[in-house]
Amino acid sequence: DAGVTQSPTHLIKTRGQQVTLRCSPKSGHDTVSWYQQALGQGPQFIFQYYEEEERQRGNFPDRFSGHQFPNYSSELNVNALLLGDSALYLCASSLEGGWGEQFFGPGTRLTVL
Amino acid sequence: AQKITQTQPGMFVQEKEAVTLDCTYDTSDQSYGLFWYKQPSSGEMIFLIYQGSYDEQNATEGRYSLNFQKARKSANLVISASQLGDSAMYFCATDPGGFKTIFGAGTRLFVKA
Repeated sequence: DAGVTQSPTHLIKTRGQQVTLRCSPKSGHDTVSWYQQALGQGPQFIFQYYEEEERQRGNFPDRFSGHQFPNYSSELNVNALLLGDSALYLCASSLEGGWGEQFFGPGTRLTVL
Repeated sequence: AQKITQTQPGMFVQEKEAVTLDCTYDTSDQSYGLFWYKQPSSGEMIFLIYQGSYDEQNATEGRYSLNFQKARKSANLVISASQLGDSAMYFCATDPGGFKTIFGAGTRLFVKA
């Protein structure tokens, strides 16, 4: 039973560029959440997708957008990259109706130069 | 505002001893979950334990137990019989309303041989 997978593992971009990160949820899970974790800090909630819709969003600008596909996998897109977007991006999956336990992927380390 | 506070940036414990990691939360929701996650240096977040706001008994999972004091809004993690592999960052989190998860800043635990 595969857990949550994310790709790529590492990514280096320059300011102003756009990036797409991908996530496949744990088998049987239908809800995907994305988090940004800056160095030395706790994860910050970006948004959550369920039934291909963004259900809730944290305090992130519109440069951050996402998508969920019919197979429950998800993408996180960041436009007009800033140096401050450098972070570990974590994807977590869960089951709607469950008690909230999330399974996290290994993360994508994004470096913006 | 909904918030998780972890006041111990770093903690040391001797191998085989017990350690308590502190967590206080602030939420106006009546129904919420409390979670603890472990993050080793590899970066992946590992779920440890869950406590529902209506659960009257403290949650336990193997060597982990959650000391839930609702009136004080605290949800401390107790690790018994510490092992060298327990050295990691530990995050307390809550999901007020059920969708968005809020994490604390974390506590780094060092287990000494």
